[in-house]
Amino acid sequence: GDSVTQMEGPVTLSEEAFLTINCTYTATGYPSLFWYVQYPGEGLQLLLKATKADDKGSNKGFEATYRKETTSFHLEKGSVQVSDSAVYFCALSVNTGNQFYFGTGTSLTVIP
Amino acid sequence: DAGITQSPRHKVTETGTPVTLRCHQTENHRYMYWYRQDPGHGLRLIHYSYGVKDTDKGEVSDGYSVSRSKTEDFLLTLESATSSQTSVYFCAISEVRGRGSYEQYFGPGTRLTVT
Repeated sequence: GDSVTQMEGPVTLSEEAFLTINCTYTATGYPSLFWYVQYPGEGLQLLLKATKADDKGSNKGFEATYRKETTSFHLEKGSVQVSDSAVYFCALSVNTGNQFYFGTGTSLTVIP
Repeated sequence: DAGITQSPRHKVTETGTPVTLRCHQTENHRYMYWYRQDPGHGLRLIHYSYGVKDTDKGEVSDGYSVSRSKTEDFLLTLESATSSQTSVYFCAISEVRGRGSYEQYFGPGTRLTVT
């Protein structure tokens, strides 16, 4: 079946460090891939997405590239800020059926 | 902002009582979802709806029922609340973007505690 696996947390980084959160997927069809961010006490917000192989999604300094050959969609940011502290979820959707599948989330804490 | 509100935002209830959570959207989206979020489990789908009076079960539907009598409202009912249903509940909608790709948008959540 369709599923997403993302790296376990929590992750703690110093401000201005480089961030990578790994995400791999299994899909029977040709999925769209997403990263969502959840700040404390809030719902999930769409951060970025990619809909086909080699597409790069980007937003707020975050990037992720849809790699079909490695079934991966790793989230990266070159220089994290304290305000990036949140939980990050990788997700996929299969166009037919309108179903979404989420990873378990990775908690990120950025310290000054 | 997809115009999604949830009520109540917080609720404490006793074991065995029925509880209804409401999700309201203002933008006429066809698809609506209920998830629960628990540590170590991420988001798990409870039920979803693909139109008025059209609903289907998700992976953790036992003990929950839903109703959608109007496009804008999707209700989640815990028929007899148990402590295992203590969780944060999120409503979501999805809409089609370019190339037929759906995107999902979430409400602010309801924190439910069953004592």
